[in-house]
This record gives sequence, C-alpha cells and structure tokens, in this order.
Amino acid sequence: IAGITQAPTSQILAAGRRMTLRCTQDMRHNAMYWYRQDLGLGLRLIHYSNTAGTTGKGEVPDGYSVSRANTDDFPLTLASAVPSQTSVYFCASSEEGANTEAFFGQGTRLTVV
Amino acid sequence: GQNIDQPTEMTATEGAIVQINCTYQTSGFNGLFWYQQHAGEAPTFLSYNVLDGLEEKGRFSSFLSRSKGYSYLLLKELQMKDSASYLCAVLDSNYQLIWGAGTKLIIKP
Repeated sequence: IAGITQAPTSQILAAGRRMTLRCTQDMRHNAMYWYRQDLGLGLRLIHYSNTAGTTGKGEVPDGYSVSRANTDDFPLTLASAVPSQTSVYFCASSEEGANTEAFFGQGTRLTVV
Repeated sequence: GQNIDQPTEMTATEGAIVQINCTYQTSGFNGLFWYQQHAGEAPTFLSYNVLDGLEEKGRFSSFLSRSKGYSYLLLKELQMKDSASYLCAVLDSNYQLIWGAGTKLIIKP
C-alpha cells in the first residue's frame, strides 16, 4: 500500500541521548516535511526538503537535523535530547510544493525523561 | 506575527450542520488548507482554497474570503465518525504552512 511510514511509533528516551526518527515514502514525492505537534499548539515545521539533496529550516529547527540522501527517506535526528522535545512528530510528503496536498505518516510519540 | 485563530472546541448533534471558522493574519497568502485529524491519528487532507468563494465536496464545503482573512469549513449531515479535530492552515508568502491549533468537534447522538 502506497504511503508514508514512520518508525518507531513511540519511544521513551533519556535526556542527552541521540535519537533518529525514520520516515520513508513510496509515492515518489519531491517534498518532505517534519512537524511536531504539541497540545494546544498548531503543527510546527521543524525542517523540510523540497527535493532530494536539499533541506531547509522550518519554524523550530534548533536541536534537530535532517538529511535527504534520496527521494524516499527523510530521517530526523535529535543530537542530544531534552525534555522540551517531548512531542508527537509527524513526517509528511507532498508531490511538488507546499501548495499541494500533504500526506502524513502515523506519527512518532516521543517522551524525553 | 502570524496568527491563525480557530475555536478550541465545538459540539454538534448527529444529522445537523456545523460551521467551523478560521481567521488568519499572515505575511502574504498563497492558499488555505483544511485537514481532519482523528484522535491519535495523522491529519488527512480535506480541502484547499486559493480563490474567494465556496468549494463543495460531498458533505464538506470550504469557504474563503481573502479580503476578510476568513475561512470556514461547513459539515452537513453530521455523522459520529466526523468527531475529530479540524485544522486550518495558511500558506504564507514564503510558501510556509502556518497551522492553527485545531478545533475539536464533538458529535452527540
């Protein structure tokens, strides 16, 4: 089934540890995004990639890094996790740019303790 | 600053009609999206408006007035499965999506 897959589904992580959230899509979409969703706030863009080989910073990039080595994969890395990074993380993709429908993964619930 | 306002929560009755409003103040405008998000699940696309007017898609319609910085999502013939959060998002002049916090819609029998 075509779509976008995230792993893990949930994770409890000790503060200071390094963690990579995985995201893979099989729709051959050019654009991919990482968001965090916190209670009472809208989705906030962390990083994005308009095409393989390029990435850009979103609204809340500090403490996170991404890479886009190929079209399908867009991993998000927390270099040294802090409790304020406790959130639900969504990866999304769209065919061209931000003015087209985005397809979301099922989310990763991350708790940093 | 950029701001998207939506009511936090609304309640409606099964079979009725509900209108969820969204007002926005952004640096530029390149379109407005509505997404539906069931609890614990991913957002899914409902509509995209870039021109003024009403777009109808089955039981759901979305309206946009760019001059007023205003949109609404209209849901007709409400069903229990429509209980979800509805997210409004605006594409600003830099083609960045600015998201509202969402409106939690509760449907009662």
